[in-house]
Amino acid sequence: GNSVTQMEGPVTLSEEAFLTINCTYTATGYPSLFWYVQYPGEGLQLLLKATKADDKGSNKGFEATYRKETTSFHLEKGSVQVSDSAVYFCALRGMDTGRRALTFGSGTRLQVQP
Amino acid sequence: DAGVTQSPTHLIKTRGQQVTLRCSPKSGHDTVSWYQQALGQGPQFIFQYYEEEERQRGNFPDRFSGHQFPNYSSELNVNALLLGDSALYLCASSSSRVNEQFFGPGTRLTVL
Repeated sequence: GNSVTQMEGPVTLSEEAFLTINCTYTATGYPSLFWYVQYPGEGLQLLLKATKADDKGSNKGFEATYRKETTSFHLEKGSVQVSDSAVYFCALRGMDTGRRALTFGSGTRLQVQP
Repeated sequence: DAGVTQSPTHLIKTRGQQVTLRCSPKSGHDTVSWYQQALGQGPQFIFQYYEEEERQRGNFPDRFSGHQFPNYSSELNVNALLLGDSALYLCASSSSRVNEQFFGPGTRLTVL
């Protein structure tokens, strides 16, 4: 079945540092890939997505590129802010569930210090 | 646009009891999915409802059941509660045409 593996957190960075959160996946066919963000006490918000190989999703300074050869979708940001502190989830939507269900990783907590 | 709304926000039950959680989808959405998020984990897919029928189910026992109403709102029912059912329950709505899921704030269920 489908699975998503994320780097364990917490990741602690100083403001304006470069961020990378690693994500790799296992799936049959060509899944769609997503990054969601969860702020304290809130539900999930879609951050960015990519639906085919070599697509780059981007939003609010965050980027991730769909790499089929390495089955990866790493999240990057050039300069983090304190307001980026949250839990980040990598997810996929695969063919085996008719593209209906999302499969999530376990999440990576990001803490940005001023 | 109110977005996806869920009620109640928090709920405390004891083992063996039954619980009903409610979800109203975003305006224009006709599909509702439910997820369970245990503490420190990613959400796990429970099931999805479309046209008032369950059309996809994750690896959850029959104690978990649901319903979708003609106005597209949905309920999640859990019978014979176990301590391990304590979690944040997330509802996500989507359009059958676009299929991007929007999440509500969740219901925090605590089973004592």
